[in-house]
Amino acid sequence: GAGVSQSPRYKVAKRGQDVALRCDPISGHVSLFWYQQALGQGPEFLTYFQNEAQLDKSGLPSDRFFAERPEGSVSTLKIQRTQQEDSAVYLCASSGQGRDTEAFFGQGTRLTVV
Amino acid sequence: AQTVTQSQPEMSVQEAETVTLSCTYDTSESDYYLFWYKQPPSRQMILVIRQEAYKQQNATENRFSVNFQKAAKSFSLKISDSQLGDAAMYFCAYSGGSNYKLTFGKGTLLTVNP
Repeated sequence: GAGVSQSPRYKVAKRGQDVALRCDPISGHVSLFWYQQALGQGPEFLTYFQNEAQLDKSGLPSDRFFAERPEGSVSTLKIQRTQQEDSAVYLCASSGQGRDTEAFFGQGTRLTVV
Repeated sequence: AQTVTQSQPEMSVQEAETVTLSCTYDTSESDYYLFWYKQPPSRQMILVIRQEAYKQQNATENRFSVNFQKAAKSFSLKISDSQLGDAAMYFCAYSGGSNYKLTFGKGTLLTVNP
């Protein structure tokens, strides 16, 4: 596709439910990032992949959060036993090799935990 | 840890006028990048302009320009000839050292009045 695609765009989960959020990066992009954006705040870093390797997961808020990118392309962010504080927009971004390449963002998944 | 501060939660400007959005940051790195992103209601982050710290010259992109003051750790965005389509949340962001991730400020909501 032409851009970063995320699905679903909206997800309502009952507290305690597991959810999986999908990110399709731009074809050929080596780097992939997940960010969490709470209402009225700036995005906060969750995790970073270079190809299939998860090089940084320092931003994952708890062990309920898990991300994978098994073939170096599509990535899934999984949240187990969702809590109300997990309600946020989850943004995915991808970029090419190197620090000076632009990161392209998807439109995000808005997760609401009720 | 790096921090990014945007001290203006909201700003407004008349169409065709000029507005400046403020951003300060804190880092101990010497090599880094600074960015301004625009986030319209669609939620997709769009890169507006980028500045490399080692470049003395301020970046410009059409109606958008920055005032980068490295010693003061200040990175403001000037929007000239404001248009209705410029209305959005604007985020200042930092990426530095060996880390590819972006650290965002809390954002400034820009309103453009006709």
